[in-house]
Amino acid sequence: AQKITQTQPGMFVQEKEAVTLDCTYDTSDPSYGLFWYKQPSSGEMIFLIYQGSYDQQNATEGRYSLNFQKARKSANLVISASQLGDSAMYFCAMREASGTYKYIFGTGTRLKVLA
Amino acid sequence: DTAVSQTPKYLVTQMGNDKSIKCEQNLGHDTMYWYKQDSKKFLKIMFSYNNKELIINETVPNRFSPKSPDKAHLNLHINSLELGDSAVYFCASSQEYINEKLFFGSGTQLSVL
Repeated sequence: AQKITQTQPGMFVQEKEAVTLDCTYDTSDPSYGLFWYKQPSSGEMIFLIYQGSYDQQNATEGRYSLNFQKARKSANLVISASQLGDSAMYFCAMREASGTYKYIFGTGTRLKVLA
Repeated sequence: DTAVSQTPKYLVTQMGNDKSIKCEQNLGHDTMYWYKQDSKKFLKIMFSYNNKELIINETVPNRFSPKSPDKAHLNLHINSLELGDSAVYFCASSQEYINEKLFFGSGTQLSVL
């Protein structure tokens, strides 16, 4: 069964430093997609980055990169040069190729960037 | 143009009442979803429709009834509201390909008093 685990309920990082948010997943489907979303205090869900299970390269989008370790079933989000505006909840999500198009989400990590 | 729009943004009501939340997407997506986000921020899927057909119905009380009149609309009706229904409800849509991201509406904050 699909499962996403985010073990860090909260994280602090100093402004301009890099931070890694952990995400592990479980699936028996060889084809799946992994997503990260940001939810600021205003409440909207903002898509950040996507990694496919067959992608050879780690995904990058600006200051966001995904450290994808398939054998370990982990898809950690790395935010470089943290900014105060990065303070938010971050969710890891997974979608399997087979089945019902369902996206399942982890419990989230609350990131606080310190000035 | 808002891609996924849901109304109302805020809904405050008394226990026992019936309420509806409407959702529309203009992205041409085939699949729409309702998610519930509780006070601990946990996002749980409730329902999904693909081309107006119900494909996901998680263990949700039958007081919750989704309706999809066409593939661009997915409404959520809740009967006999309870205190525990207080949450943020997100509508979302996507295409069915594995690499397609989920587009979210802005959420409806439901408060049951």
